[in-house]
Amino acid sequence: LAKTTQPISMDSYEGQEVNITCSHNNIATNDYITWYQQFPSQGPRFIIQGYKTKVTNEVASLFIPADRKSSTLSLPRVSLSDTAVYYCLVGSTLLTGANNLFFGTGTRLTVIP
Amino acid sequence: SAVISQKPSRDICQRGTSLTIQCQVDSQVTMMFWYRQQPGQSLTLIATANQGSEATYESGFVIDKFPISRPNLTFSTLTVSNMSPEDSSIYLCSAAHLDYGYTFGSGTRLTVV
Repeated sequence: LAKTTQPISMDSYEGQEVNITCSHNNIATNDYITWYQQFPSQGPRFIIQGYKTKVTNEVASLFIPADRKSSTLSLPRVSLSDTAVYYCLVGSTLLTGANNLFFGTGTRLTVIP
Repeated sequence: SAVISQKPSRDICQRGTSLTIQCQVDSQVTMMFWYRQQPGQSLTLIATANQGSEATYESGFVIDKFPISRPNLTFSTLTVSNMSPEDSSIYLCSAAHLDYGYTFGSGTRLTVV
């Protein structure tokens, strides 16, 4: 399993774009990169998943460079409700034989009014 | 995605007693898991709940302390046995489905006094 490294915490003002970078130098060929969001007193929630280049959905974008040794989660125009912990996970998907998820330390994002 | 109901949401227990946590999924899922999360910390995988066979435990977790059942494809229980204050934590159930990916319950906040 590829180890991931993320900043422990970040602060941002409302309305700004937030970029959280995750390092995963030992990523394997079959590994995907997945980001989860966790609010207090709730379980983690899937945000976005990608393999390479750029992926965008209704809540976020995921940028993955060609060497795939890092990835950046981009949250456009954050609001107070985006205050949460964001986890970067690297590993196989269910469709490619994954069994379970291993969580790293996560990044605690605080959005300031 | 699959919806998970986890009960109880919280409990305060006396040391030396046991607590059973239930996890019900609204659809049949491929795999189910149990995690532990200390306040302010990341998630640690306890075990994979296997349907019809013994659970697969991660290093540091044993069946005698955390017996797990999974009688069918939608239900699992985790028992925290002979509790001590060190077992105070949040316990989360997760389910994996090929179509939905991974879904998490809201967790059980356990306090042992």
